[in-house]
Amino acid sequence: EVRLVESGGGLVQPGGSLRLSCAASGFMFSSYWMHWVRQVPGKGLVWVSRINSDGTSTSYADSVKGRFTISRDNAKNTLHLQVNSLRAEDTAVYYCVRDRGWIQQWRVGMDVWGQGTTVIVSS
Amino acid sequence: DIQMTQSPSSLSASVGDRVTITCRASQGINNYLAWFQQKPGKAPKSLIYAASGLQTGVPSKFSGSGSGTDFSLTISSLQPEDFATYYCQQYISYPFTFGPGTKVDIK
Repeated sequence: EVRLVESGGGLVQPGGSLRLSCAASGFMFSSYWMHWVRQVPGKGLVWVSRINSDGTSTSYADSVKGRFTISRDNAKNTLHLQVNSLRAEDTAVYYCVRDRGWIQQWRVGMDVWGQGTTVIVSS
Repeated sequence: DIQMTQSPSSLSASVGDRVTITCRASQGINNYLAWFQQKPGKAPKSLIYAASGLQTGVPSKFSGSGSGTDFSLTISSLQPEDFATYYCQQYISYPFTFGPGTKVDIK
């Protein structure tokens, strides 16, 4: 079974840091690009960051650029998101998402989602 | 950034109804359009990729269409488990962007 399990969320003060993790199982993790997507409770989905399969290329939303760092450990089948200089507006559920890549000529994009980990930024 | 809009923002429907949700991109995205379903308190579930491709395990009552800037998601016969919020997403360029969602609830 393909599975993504996030961890590392919690309550943190403004300006603080957390390291979110996502443990992947049931598929060849090192072959897939991965994303982080967040959602403020009761609001919509917002893409945060992505990383390619070997970790050499990353992209970030402008709202987190310079504060968040996505990385991966393919030997441990784990995705990370280091979140620094946290602000109240970073409060959200953070989802780890697999990118299926291509099927024949079709770009598939996101296909498998984790259950999410909650980050609350508050003093 | 590419802006995504959806209509309606919410709708009420009955079991057995045929439901269509539309999504519009602020610029052409070819068919790099996905649809997701989210139930309260749960993670999103991927339904459709490349505007019309069904993700593995998704029932055929869901269908997608469109290309360029205008897209739609249709549920052919609404069932109790389909009451949820539906999001479209473009993935032709970063930042990937989602529509604001369409909440489908019971009439």
